[in-house]
Amino acid sequence: QKEVEQDPGPLSVPEGAIVSLNCTYSNSAFQYFMWYRQYSRKGPELLMYTYSSGNKEDGRFTAQVDKSSKYISLFIRDSQPSDSATYLCAIHSGNTPLVFGKGTRLSVIA
Amino acid sequence: DGGITQSPKYLFRKEGQNVTLSCEQNLNHDAMYWYRQDPGQGLRLIYYSQIVNDFQKGDIAEGYSVSREKKESFPLTVTSAQKNPTAFYLCATEATGGESPLHFGNGTRLTVT
Repeated sequence: QKEVEQDPGPLSVPEGAIVSLNCTYSNSAFQYFMWYRQYSRKGPELLMYTYSSGNKEDGRFTAQVDKSSKYISLFIRDSQPSDSATYLCAIHSGNTPLVFGKGTRLSVIA
Repeated sequence: DGGITQSPKYLFRKEGQNVTLSCEQNLNHDAMYWYRQDPGQGLRLIYYSQIVNDFQKGDIAEGYSVSREKKESFPLTVTSAQKNPTAFYLCATEATGGESPLHFGNGTRLTVT
């Protein structure tokens, strides 16, 4: 079993929709959870960073962590065409390098 | 980027040649990383360095080499031994502590023909 599993998509939604992106992980030692957004031919940029179970909100973005289920989610409200990108989850224990999901490609259609 | 400079943005080489990719940072971060990104493969770790003059192999180090002589710089050499060198290469940095997020440069697209 891979350490981090992420559905690659592609995911296509209409403008204004709520988007749900998800990752599952296998190692219960993982403590730190991140979401990155990557536009084509650019480096990933950090969107959300959390280390506890529960929700963290930043504008239209909400990161959710459920450590008991080893499941993390990113919700995007009122999605915009500018949200079209690849979204990567990333997780680590603090002692080892970050482990990335393979990324989900999202298209928001105007 | 925000303080991480990767150059050049595009690089073309003939098969059999070694090539060095540059990564410079002014964030004063201790740790630096090199990743390779291929379509459908996600990010794969090549090498990382947590302190000057020390570095560790990642998951796909074969055919690559690095050096860390200065805190600000972590160049990656793609040698002729790397079987499939054409890829998008990303450099990242991390502040101390091991629980900090990574900050990425904007990558170098290497094409070997």
